[in-house]
Amino acid sequence: AQRVTQPEKLLSVFKGAPVELKCNYSYSGSPELFWYVQYSRQRLQLLLRHISRESIKGFTADLNKGETSFHLKKPFAQEEDSAMYYCALSGRGGYQKVTFGIGTKLQVIP
Amino acid sequence: EAGVTQFPSHSVIEKGQTVTLRCDPISGHDNLYWYRRVMGKEIKFLLHFVKESKQDESGMPNNRFLAERTGGTYSTLKVQPAELEDSGVYFCASSLTGPSYEQYFGPGTRLTVT
Repeated sequence: AQRVTQPEKLLSVFKGAPVELKCNYSYSGSPELFWYVQYSRQRLQLLLRHISRESIKGFTADLNKGETSFHLKKPFAQEEDSAMYYCALSGRGGYQKVTFGIGTKLQVIP
Repeated sequence: EAGVTQFPSHSVIEKGQTVTLRCDPISGHDNLYWYRRVMGKEIKFLLHFVKESKQDESGMPNNRFLAERTGGTYSTLKVQPAELEDSGVYFCASSLTGPSYEQYFGPGTRLTVT
């Protein structure tokens, strides 16, 4: 069965401190991994996906197949990063259903 | 361009009543998905339409839930009769067809069954 685990429901960091949101997954095969973000009063939106290997808003995520992890990192947190972050996966091949983790609320303290 | 829209934004009904949720995908998106988040739980997949056909309905909880997408445009999700455990936020998403197209989410409909 496919599953996404986010061990922290809430992560509080001070502005300027590094951020790491943890995500582990289980999947038979090679999934596609994502991070979605939901800012206050906004809709869920894609932040980044592992196949793109890009940095969005200063965030990066490295896929570690050995540890089945896809942690989200940012070297210096900003207040506007405060939001709910969801790690997610889907099968490869396009238009597949997405399996979400429970989400981590990131709170950046000024 | 308007994104995915959902109506209503919030619905409060009594147990045993019927509720119909509507989703309008982004124009030109053949793929339409329904998801649900029950309080304290993960966002869970319900079903996937490709145009008007149900591609995958493995996540539908039971036969009280009926989804339709007549004409391959907007979709409705009917819950009849509603139970307390159906309360949650129902999300709709749409995407183009292809190997790596992004799913765009609607704002969600918050359903409260009392």
